Amino acid sequence: DQQVKQNSPSLSVQEGRISILNCDYTNSMFDYFLWYKKYPAEGPTFLISISSIKDKNEDGRFTVFLNKSAKHLSLHIVPSQPGDSAVYFCAAIYSGGSNYKLTFGKGTLLTVNP
Amino acid sequence: SAVISQKPSRDICQRGTSLTIQCQVDSQVTMMFWYRQQPGQSLTLIATANQGSEATYESGFVIDKFPISRPNLTFSTLTVSNMSPEDSSIYLCSVAQSSYNEQFFGPGTRLTVL
Repeated sequence: DQQVKQNSPSLSVQEGRISILNCDYTNSMFDYFLWYKKYPAEGPTFLISISSIKDKNEDGRFTVFLNKSAKHLSLHIVPSQPGDSAVYFCAAIYSGGSNYKLTFGKGTLLTVNP
Repeated sequence: SAVISQKPSRDICQRGTSLTIQCQVDSQVTMMFWYRQQPGQSLTLIATANQGSEATYESGFVIDKFPISRPNLTFSTLTVSNMSPEDSSIYLCSVAQSSYNEQFFGPGTRLTVL
């Protein structure tokens, strides 16, 4: 039972355009969501997060949108750069739990073409 | 952010043997975790490494197969015991301070079992 789903295994965009990465979740207890970026041979690095009390969080070129009723979030990267090419993981957490367990999606490979 | 190192970075092992992976952090941290990423899959939490007490394992993972130690607030080990080819994965250590939105990952250990 996959509680966090990233249905697009890959995405290819042109440099300068917008990249939109999508994520769906099934567990309504999740109340905090994070995006991680992973380059080959490196561990995931934290990118941006959003609390369930918000519907948008912006940090420079990165914006995350949350639609709680649809249990859907998306990461927008504008403008996309070749250095953004990486695997992006969506993760969710229930902050009322006894630990800090992150539940991850399978990731989306983003390729930004020059 | 914490700087995390893992040893070894990769290894190729024979079936039936065991491998111990080390995780070292450059500062004291509250929480340490061990994740596994099987090929084409998401990151899956194996266990929470508790300082001075037994680790807390997630469903599907047992201490006999994945014994974990955490002797202090900056170091932990994960042992993959009696390995089989199905254990071929990337094993990642992560750490968190008091806030769950700041979970940092090590570079990972790529394990191949023949």
